[in-house]
Amino acid sequence: DTEVTQTPKHLVMGMTNKKSLKCEQHMGHRAMYWYKQKAKKPPELMFVYSYEKLSINESVPSRFSPECPNSSLLNLHLHALQPEDSALYLCASGTSELFFGEGSRLTVL
Amino acid sequence: GENVEQHPSTLSVQEGDSAVIKCTYSDSASNYFPWYKQELGKRPQLIIDIRSNVGEKKDQRIAVTLNKTAKHFSLHITETQPEDSAVYFCAVSTGFQKLVFGTGTRLLVSP
Repeated sequence: DTEVTQTPKHLVMGMTNKKSLKCEQHMGHRAMYWYKQKAKKPPELMFVYSYEKLSINESVPSRFSPECPNSSLLNLHLHALQPEDSALYLCASGTSELFFGEGSRLTVL
Repeated sequence: GENVEQHPSTLSVQEGDSAVIKCTYSDSASNYFPWYKQELGKRPQLIIDIRSNVGEKKDQRIAVTLNKTAKHFSLHITETQPEDSAVYFCAVSTGFQKLVFGTGTRLLVSP
């Protein structure tokens, strides 16, 4: 299984809502990532988890809260987001070669 | 931090022509250079990569060349086909799990 699965595929939320994005991989990778991609832009790194511990936080606002419950799962908890946070959120796993999920397209109203 | 520049931003070619995309980077400690292809509405997928101890790597119609002294690397696609149309991103890593992407090149291959 070389898939990274993300849910939901689409999410619309208000600025006062709390929601979560989920990511799952079964390739045995010990590093998992969250990237944010705006339209016509490259993916931008947000967080890296290595062996279930947060190893990189690219100065992401605290309204984004990552969580790694186990080596196969990665969550991104969202609270009090702004309209400018609307983007495609990509999960990835791997060490050198990264395997990306299809992404969760988030719209903040 | 690492800065990756990618050119051109848009590239239009006729089917069968070659396409070349170039990237430059700033951190001399960078040692891993992958290229990702992202079709419209799809996930980025690795198409080829090269490490700093290698100057060139080829996989069928795709090749990547690396010049560490000049800090630039290039993607070469020969005999382009319409299905090669996509956005291509170069990326650079120093090996600490931090992959920095270039700005992307939109390749359009016309039949």
